[in-house]
Amino acid sequence: AQSVTQLGSHVSVSEGALVLLRCNYSSSVPPYLFWYVQYPNQGLQLLLKYTTGATLVKGINGFEAEFKKSETSFHLTKPSAHMSDAAEYFCAVRVAGSQGNLIFGKGTKLSVKP
Amino acid sequence: GAVVSQHPSWVICKSGTSVKIECRSLDFQATTMFWYRQFPKQSLMLMATSNEGSKATYEQGVEKDKFLINHASLTLSTLTVTSAHPEDSSFYICSAPSGGPYNEQFFGPGTRLTVL
Repeated sequence: AQSVTQLGSHVSVSEGALVLLRCNYSSSVPPYLFWYVQYPNQGLQLLLKYTTGATLVKGINGFEAEFKKSETSFHLTKPSAHMSDAAEYFCAVRVAGSQGNLIFGKGTKLSVKP
Repeated sequence: GAVVSQHPSWVICKSGTSVKIECRSLDFQATTMFWYRQFPKQSLMLMATSNEGSKATYEQGVEKDKFLINHASLTLSTLTVTSAHPEDSSFYICSAPSGGPYNEQFFGPGTRLTVL
């Protein structure tokens, strides 16, 4: 069975500091991995995705993630946090053989201190 | 990118009433749509897969008779919460796949349901 684990339900960083949100997955087949951001009372917005090819994936708003098969990880990073990055972040894996439905991690709330 | 809308964005209803939530793909056709539920400070949980022209597929533990799904056209799926109770209060989010090779999901903005 596939699963996603996000380490740390809450991460707090200072503005300008490195952002690192951790995601580990479990999958018996090559996974399709996604990071989404959710602002309060809004739906999900895709930050980036890994399907095949280059393991370092760049997304919107300066975020990037690296797929590491040996570590079964897909951590999200951003070199310099901005106040507007404060939100909930979800890592997800596409269900193998499905029409595209996703299994989500529990989410990590990112706070950015001035 | 593709746009998915939901209506209403929020609704408050009395216990025992039914509430209908619409999910529309605005600029693309979606033979499949997904309905998720998100409780406060929790992740999204898939409730059901809505299929145009056929019955929805429900996840284990989701009551079919309580959460009625109708996929009336290639751009519209509706979720009706029947005889709503306070424990049904949640954030309901729909998504539709892009149809491309990786079936990237496009999410609606969500509907906040509060049952008094």
